[in-house]
Amino acid sequence: AAGVIQSPRHLIKEKRETATLKCYPIPRHDTVYWYQQGPGQDPQFLISFYEKMQSDKGSIPDRFSAQQFSDYHSELNMSSLELGDSALYFCASSPRTGLWTQYFGPGTRLLVL
Amino acid sequence: AQKITQTQPGMFVQEKEAVTLDCTYDTSDPSYGLFWYKQPSSGEMIFLIYQGSYDQQNATEGRYSLNFQKARKSANLVISASQLGDSAMYFCAMRRFASTGANSKLTFGKGITLSVRP
Repeated sequence: AAGVIQSPRHLIKEKRETATLKCYPIPRHDTVYWYQQGPGQDPQFLISFYEKMQSDKGSIPDRFSAQQFSDYHSELNMSSLELGDSALYFCASSPRTGLWTQYFGPGTRLLVL
Repeated sequence: AQKITQTQPGMFVQEKEAVTLDCTYDTSDPSYGLFWYKQPSSGEMIFLIYQGSYDQQNATEGRYSLNFQKARKSANLVISASQLGDSAMYFCAMRRFASTGANSKLTFGKGITLSVRP
């Protein structure tokens, strides 16, 4: 079965650089979620989208922005990167209603030097 | 607000034995879902099992079962016949069920590390 696709899988950036993470949800899943998992921590919700509109917002820094496109894929844009942004970034997808489970992609491991 | 509590220290279990991973939760929402995810050292987040707050029976998925005690607000994961590949971090999570039926974010616990001994 098709899964959530994330790219890139690994990313190394310098402080103050920018990064763009991409997420392709499972076919027919129209809701996308972004989570950040710091080393040794639990995943923290950043933001979610449904039908290209932001549906919920969590602890996402102002330096980060995200959007969902007409093909339902989503991109997380991160600017002025800081050392503390080093983390595993997950994208998850689900249908808008009905199916309760969110299925996660393999994650993008971001290292900021 | 929702809160998930996982307080067990690292857990150890002998291969082929059963193990229970504890999870308690707190929410004021009348309708919610509880989930367990497995995160091996490679990092991916793997969905294991789901329990709805109105489900009358405990959920089961192969070797995984969820011991749901609503009055106690607990949702413990039971893994039967442990395998070496079960060694991983296990997260309990929950989400509220909105009146619109819309899907909502997951709130995670801190996780429990399980090590299976041969």
